[in-house]
Amino acid sequence: QSALTQPPSASGSPGQSVTISCTGTSSDFGGYYSVSWYQQHPGKAPKLMIYEVTKRPSGVPDRFSGSKSGNTASLTVSGLQADDEADYYCSSYVGSNNLGIFGGGTKLTVL
Amino acid sequence: QLQLQESGPGLVKPSETLSLTCTVSDGSISSSTYYWGWIRQPPGKGLEWIGTIYYSGNTYYNPSLKSRVTISVDTSKNQFSLKLSSVTAADTAVYYCAREPRHRGYSYGFFWYFDLWGRGTLVTVSS
Repeated sequence: QSALTQPPSASGSPGQSVTISCTGTSSDFGGYYSVSWYQQHPGKAPKLMIYEVTKRPSGVPDRFSGSKSGNTASLTVSGLQADDEADYYCSSYVGSNNLGIFGGGTKLTVL
Repeated sequence: QLQLQESGPGLVKPSETLSLTCTVSDGSISSSTYYWGWIRQPPGKGLEWIGTIYYSGNTYYNPSLKSRVTISVDTSKNQFSLKLSSVTAADTAVYYCAREPRHRGYSYGFFWYFDLWGRGTLVTVSS
């Protein structure tokens, strides 16, 4: 089964910026616009933070931004705040396999 | 604001069928602009897509689970359901239902994301 690779952990101090990567093969990102990112606090449901690579849902601060270059998508969190401490998951749809996939998740720690 | 709520048994015996229902409130499941999906998360692990349904009954399943999964919709009750057969301990997870925006004119998966989630329900497979 295809999988997207994320670093298991990332960290930064309040006010700093941190970027989380999500790496796959060219087929993993077959639908360019299918890259999205979710934030999950402990014991809570995931929350959509970025969709269609770069778009933010209403209510998500502009401190969160997404991008994609080649086979790597990225989520950048600027001006880190304590509440940003959570797990973050990337996702994409592999059209060739008719399969929706998630990355393994990255635990973001605000120091 | 539309809400989703999962319901069903929290304990299922091995080899039996897991059955869950997601009730959509303050909105219509028959909307042409949304699909409805199931995602699960084993304790301490990552997310896994199970499958998605459109109100017309069209379904899209994770190939690795397809032989055991059935997702159905009941528009009269504004609900959609998940059945997973022949469960084992590996199927122990928090099961989420979620809403997936549909983009008319594009094939399924061209845009793929879930913009609204239920709170999730833990299902344990154990004798």
